[in-house]
Amino acid sequence: SQQGEEDPQALSIQEGENATMNCSYKTSINNLQWYRQNSGRGLVHLILIRSNEREKHSGRLRVTLDTSKKSSSLLITASRAADTASYFCATAARGAGNMLTFGGGTRLMVKP
Amino acid sequence: GAVVSQHPSRVICKSGTSVKIECRSLDFQATTMFWYRQFPKQSLMLMATSNEGSKATYEQGVEKDKFLINHASLTLSTLTVTSAHPEDSSFYICSARGGGGEETQYFGPGTRLLVL
Repeated sequence: SQQGEEDPQALSIQEGENATMNCSYKTSINNLQWYRQNSGRGLVHLILIRSNEREKHSGRLRVTLDTSKKSSSLLITASRAADTASYFCATAARGAGNMLTFGGGTRLMVKP
Repeated sequence: GAVVSQHPSRVICKSGTSVKIECRSLDFQATTMFWYRQFPKQSLMLMATSNEGSKATYEQGVEKDKFLINHASLTLSTLTVTSAHPEDSSFYICSARGGGGEETQYFGPGTRLLVL
């Protein structure tokens, strides 16, 4: 069964706006990762945040992790039409050999 | 970053035939490979985990006799969908991870299977 739940399931914004996606999980984790998937394509790894980290940045991406609430958020600033894709969080559970469990994903549409 | 390839990228077959999908790590040795299935507009569901030279570990509900996995070398894993049926039509994605506690999985581009 899937551990991660993502919110919202779909998000539509205008170019230039910020997009925030949230992910919640249930078990203890070693790390949490965010991936991007264009329609019908493979996954692109965006960022990994470890359980002892609270925030990480990569370009226009900002990821936060709150282990007390078992939640994470992905913020894309100054969005572009090319950011249109599905975004998934995936958790690597403790004691599971870093096996990933994926959330349901957020479908982001950025309108030009 | 590390590159993982899948072949074929797309396959259409008749019901009852078997289909083999290859997953290769091109520039690193993958001690562990993972196979996922993704239905339209849904998330990835892990099917099985395979370690080089040993039997694959299947997730609950995945039939090991139907989805045969072979991880014969550190750069190649294959998934064979035996006696495929229309309900097996899906997007199959593999990922690979190096050894030594490597945290990152590198994903292949996926294989779209359509069973008629």
